Amino acid sequence: DADVTQTPRNRITKTGKRIMLECSQTKGHDRMYWYRQDPGLGLRLIYYSFDVKDINKGEISDGYSVSRQAQAKFSLSLESAIPNQTALYFCATSQTGGLETQYFGPGTRLLVL
Amino acid sequence: AQTVTQSQPEMSVQEAETVTLSCTYDTSENNYYLFWYKQPPSRQMILVIRQEAYKQQNATENRFSVNFQKAAKSFSLKISDSQLGDTAMYFCAFANAGGTSYGKLTFGQGTILTVHP
Repeated sequence: DADVTQTPRNRITKTGKRIMLECSQTKGHDRMYWYRQDPGLGLRLIYYSFDVKDINKGEISDGYSVSRQAQAKFSLSLESAIPNQTALYFCATSQTGGLETQYFGPGTRLLVL
Repeated sequence: AQTVTQSQPEMSVQEAETVTLSCTYDTSENNYYLFWYKQPPSRQMILVIRQEAYKQQNATENRFSVNFQKAAKSFSLKISDSQLGDTAMYFCAFANAGGTSYGKLTFGQGTILTVHP
């Protein structure tokens, strides 16, 4: 079984809709991250969490919110989706003291019409 | 703020040959980590290799090795004996070991590598 899972894997939604992307991990890591990938821009950090009570904004947090429900779960919400949020979204995990190495989920492809 | 630059949008290589992907970065920190990730068509992000800045020895993982030049802020990836399965997008990434950006990865724009039979 995959160590980092993301649901859904693909999602099509309409402008203005609220959607949630979910991430779960069985690696036992304390840190979790959300990134988005756009062509030609690499991956950019949206939010990150170093433990259950810690939430931090990343480079591009506007239009997004997150919830760390448990050490193993980290959800990303788009409160009112817009077309320029169409992208590939990745969840990642790492462990404090783990040489900053992050392990990624399979990604969620989101299309906002 | 840290920046990572991959100046080669696309590269190609013949099967069994060697190819080198370039990466440069900018930081004022002295202690940090550098990574190469591979993203095949399946879109999964796979860690290829990691280099700790405090280590002078270049990291190697089987057919993959790096040339880490700390003074030049350069971190290239060499793939030896290229295989068709190496066809992927390759990302260079940087992480501080401390400071205000501690724990966050900064990625380059990626290099698409195609291995031809």
